[in-house]
Amino acid sequence: GQQVMQIPQYQHVQEGEDFTTYCNSSTTLSNIQWYKQRPGGHPVFLIQLVKSGEVKKQKRLTFQFGEAKKNSSLHITATQTTDVGTYFCAGQIYSGGYNKLIFGAGTRLAVHP
Amino acid sequence: DGGITQSPKYLFRKEGQNVTLSCEQNLNHDAMYWYRQDPGQGLRLIYYSQIVNDFQKGDIAEGYSVSREKKESFPLTVTSAQKNPTAFYLCASSIDGRGSYEQYFGPGTRLTVT
Repeated sequence: GQQVMQIPQYQHVQEGEDFTTYCNSSTTLSNIQWYKQRPGGHPVFLIQLVKSGEVKKQKRLTFQFGEAKKNSSLHITATQTTDVGTYFCAGQIYSGGYNKLIFGAGTRLAVHP
Repeated sequence: DGGITQSPKYLFRKEGQNVTLSCEQNLNHDAMYWYRQDPGQGLRLIYYSQIVNDFQKGDIAEGYSVSREKKESFPLTVTSAQKNPTAFYLCASSIDGRGSYEQYFGPGTRLTVT
């Protein structure tokens, strides 16, 4: 079946260091979405990438969508303690008249002050 | 204040009992979804509904049932047939299920079955 693999599963960084999480899909995606889940919270939408090779920035966060629309990355520059949480990618495929989201397992980010 | 509400936040049940989790949205969204989240794993789709009185099975529907009698409401019943019901259950909605729209999540219900 369709899968979205996400690595790493867990990352510790010192405050100020950079952080990157990667997603890879077994199939071509319509688009990819990124969500953040704070500890004890629920996923909150961050961004959606649609075009091949697309790059979007939100302050210190940079999102990329691969040329083949099968992989994506999220890079955080100079992490802060407020960045703590689990980051999920979710690939969207169109199947049976419905846009299905397939979530990666998430990357849990811990930031040490 | 628009959003999705789920109740209760924590739920405890004995094995063999059915339990219904509530999900209500006032965002006027057509599509609603139920996901299950287990520790260290992503979200897995249980059921989804694109419109009132219509719903489809997701990837892990066995042992669960839903209804969509009103646009605002999409309750999930965890039946005694579900082998490992203890999990964090998340309800979500989106404008519709056909377009490329983000999903809005409720705060979740943490179900523990002993």
